[in-house]
Amino acid sequence: KQEVTQIPAALSVPEGENLVLNCSFTDSAIYNLQWFRQDPGKGLTSLLLIQSSQREQTSGRLNASLDKSSGRSTLYIAASQPGDSATYLCAVVTQGGSEKLVFGKGTKLTVNP
Amino acid sequence: KAGVTQTPRYLIKTRGQQVTLSCSPISGHRSVSWYQQTPGQGLQFLFEYFSETQRNKGNFPGRFSGRQFSNSRSEMNVSTLELGDSALYLCASSLGLGPLDEQFFGPGTRLTVL
Repeated sequence: KQEVTQIPAALSVPEGENLVLNCSFTDSAIYNLQWFRQDPGKGLTSLLLIQSSQREQTSGRLNASLDKSSGRSTLYIAASQPGDSATYLCAVVTQGGSEKLVFGKGTKLTVNP
Repeated sequence: KAGVTQTPRYLIKTRGQQVTLSCSPISGHRSVSWYQQTPGQGLQFLFEYFSETQRNKGNFPGRFSGRQFSNSRSEMNVSTLELGDSALYLCASSLGLGPLDEQFFGPGTRLTVL
């Protein structure tokens, strides 16, 4: 059974800092990994989708990497801003089973002005 | 291009009642997936529909059901509501087959069961 873990559960940083969010998964046989952000009481916003054959994806100040063999992904946020404050979730789709997103519990990020 | 829309946004029901939630996907998207989000369990997959057929189902009791119409709009129904069904219900749409493609989520329906 696929399990996704995100550490830390919460993170508080000053504005302007570069930061890394971590995601690990137990079964390396995945189709893809997707990073989302969720603002309080809202739905999820897709940030980056990495296919299993890819090593990284970039969008603006965000860069996500994927190391399937070790079961890890990182989301790098450059020059953080208060507007980046949200909960960040990663999710994977595992091969060979029910095709569904399995989510981690998320990292709650607070960027202080 | 309009995003995924969900109605209603908020709902209050009492135990034993039933409820129907609606999801309209992004225009052109044929896959709709449903998720339940609670503080304790996080996000859990309910089911996915593609071209009016249920492709996958999560580990939820039979009280949870869904369907998809020919215009790709989807509904989910929960019968005999329990207190534990209180949650944020999210739907997501994608152009291709379910989670194999990028998922776009709606704002959710907040269900409170009293």
